[in-house]
Amino acid sequence: AQTVTQSQPEMSVQEAETVTLSCTYDTSESNYYLFWYKQPPSRQMILVIRQEAYKQQNATENRFSVNFQKAAKSFSLKISDSQLGDTAMYFCAIQWGGAQKLVFGQGTRLTINP
Amino acid sequence: DSGVTQTPKHLITATGQRVTLRCSPRSGDLSVYWYQQSLDQGLQFLIQYYNGEERAKGNILERFSAQQFPDLHSELNLSSLELGDSALYFCASSVDPGRANYGYTFGSGTRLTVV
Repeated sequence: AQTVTQSQPEMSVQEAETVTLSCTYDTSESNYYLFWYKQPPSRQMILVIRQEAYKQQNATENRFSVNFQKAAKSFSLKISDSQLGDTAMYFCAIQWGGAQKLVFGQGTRLTINP
Repeated sequence: DSGVTQTPKHLITATGQRVTLRCSPRSGDLSVYWYQQSLDQGLQFLIQYYNGEERAKGNILERFSAQQFPDLHSELNLSSLELGDSALYFCASSVDPGRANYGYTFGSGTRLTVV
């Protein structure tokens, strides 16, 4: 079975700071995909960034980047120059090649303070 | 607006009742996924449909059922409701199962409260 663990229930940083959210996962699959989703107070689930497990290069999307450590089964999200609009719940998720369902972690509530 | 439309946004109903949640996928998407988000269980996959056919089943209770219609909209039916069914129910869509690895598009959810 695939599992995802987010060990930080809550985090809080000042605007413009850099913050890193942790995620570890467990899978026996060799072909899988990792995601970070953001859920702001509007409750909409928004895809932040995606990583293919067979790619060693870490994915980046503007201020968002990941640190993918395959051997350690770690997939952390770094947010640079944080903004008030980044305040949200962040969910790490895994999907394996043979299936389309996502398995989510419990989430990290991130608050960006002015 | 993500392009995935869920109605209603909020629903309050009594225990023992039956409700139907509706989802219209993003234009061009053939695959629909249903998820339940609750405080104790987190985000759980319920069921997936692709072009009208059930494709995968997750932790969906027998009291729950779903279908996808020829126009590709989907409905999730919840019956004999219990207090523990109170949750946010999300629908998501993707072009086809093969494109799901690029990430889904989620709707804004239906908040169900059972009293």
